[in-house]
Amino acid sequence: GNSVTQMEGPVTLSEEAFLTINCTYTATGYPSLFWYVQYPGEGLQLLLKATKADDKGSNKGFEATYRKETTSFHLEKGSVQVSDSAVYFCALSRSGGYQKVTFGTGTKLQVIP
Amino acid sequence: GAGVSQSPSNKVTEKGKDVELRCDPISGHTALYWYRQSLGQGLEFLIYFQGNSAPDKSGLPSDRFSAERTGGSVSTLTIQRTQQEDSAVYLCASSLGRTQTNEKLFFGSGTQLSVL
Repeated sequence: GNSVTQMEGPVTLSEEAFLTINCTYTATGYPSLFWYVQYPGEGLQLLLKATKADDKGSNKGFEATYRKETTSFHLEKGSVQVSDSAVYFCALSRSGGYQKVTFGTGTKLQVIP
Repeated sequence: GAGVSQSPSNKVTEKGKDVELRCDPISGHTALYWYRQSLGQGLEFLIYFQGNSAPDKSGLPSDRFSAERTGGSVSTLTIQRTQQEDSAVYLCASSLGRTQTNEKLFFGSGTQLSVL
């Protein structure tokens, strides 16, 4: 079955540090890949997505590249801010047809001033 | 409403009692999901509804859990004979559910269930 594996948190960084949150997946076919974010006290919301190999999703300074050869979709940001403190979830959805979305366990990021 | 609405936002119950959690998805969304988020845990898939198809119940942890979706819209998640380990945030999400689209999910704010 489909699965997503994320690096365990929490991840604690100083402001302006470089961020990487690793995500790898297992799926048949060609899934779409997503990063969702849950800010403190808020609901989950889509951060970025990529639908095919070598696509790069980007939003709010975050980027992730769909790497089929390594089945990875690592989240990166060049300079984090305190406001980026949140829980980040990697997810996948098989393309074609009605398919449920499978989430990773989430990685908590804490950015300190 | 404009978003996914869940009620109640908080529910405290006694062990052994039944509870019902409600989800009102975004109008026009044919796909509806229930997830569970426990403290320190990730998102655990529970059940998935898509249009008139039979739901994917593969994530329901036991036969105490059930869900229905009436008229392709509102969904109710029922937990019978609640146990303390059922304490969690129950999240509902909906999506357009069309083929060949990227399944962006819209989440509700969740129901915090506490079983005493």
